[in-house]
Amino acid sequence: AQSVTQLDSQVPVFEEAPVELRCNYSSSVSVYLFWYVQYPNQGLQLLLKYLSGSTLVKGINGFEAEFNKSQTSFHLRKPSVHISDTAEYFCAVINFGNEKLTFGTGTRLTIIP
Amino acid sequence: GAGVSQSPSNKVTEKGKDVELRCDPISGHTALYWYRQSLGQGLEFLIYFQGNSAPDKSGLPSDRFSAERTGGSVSTLTIQRTQQEDSAVYLCASSSTGTGNTEAFFGQGTRLTVV
Repeated sequence: AQSVTQLDSQVPVFEEAPVELRCNYSSSVSVYLFWYVQYPNQGLQLLLKYLSGSTLVKGINGFEAEFNKSQTSFHLRKPSVHISDTAEYFCAVINFGNEKLTFGTGTRLTIIP
Repeated sequence: GAGVSQSPSNKVTEKGKDVELRCDPISGHTALYWYRQSLGQGLEFLIYFQGNSAPDKSGLPSDRFSAERTGGSVSTLTIQRTQQEDSAVYLCASSSTGTGNTEAFFGQGTRLTVV
């Protein structure tokens, strides 16, 4: 079975500082990986996804993530955060041939002015 | 419509009552998912519909939960004899192919409170 672990439930970061949100997954087969973002009082939207090819994936709003197969990780990074990045971030995985998006418990990113 | 629409946005119900939550997916999307978002628990998969195939109900937490999708479009999630632990945000999502490599679009959710 697939699973996703987001170790950090809350991450406070000063504005314009870099941030890394950690995600580790477990699966016995190949996977697709996703980061979704949920802004306050809004629905989830896709930030970026890894399907195949280059392990460095760029998404919206300056975010990027790197797929590391050996470490089964898909950490999300941004070199300089803004107040508008305040949101909950969810890592998710789908096994090849399986349609169930399995989500982590989420990381609440708080930007400190 | 332009996006996934869910109704109602908020629902307060008494323990023991039945509730129905509605999801209108994006037109033409063949895959539809229901998830439950509880505080501090992440998103829990409930059920998945893909075209005319039998739905994947493996995530439904008990036989009080059921869902249907009529005409391959609108879906209704029904919770019978609601319990306080059913309180959560129920999210619906749809995607165009359901092959896993396409984006799932989420609705705003229905916040269910059982009192």
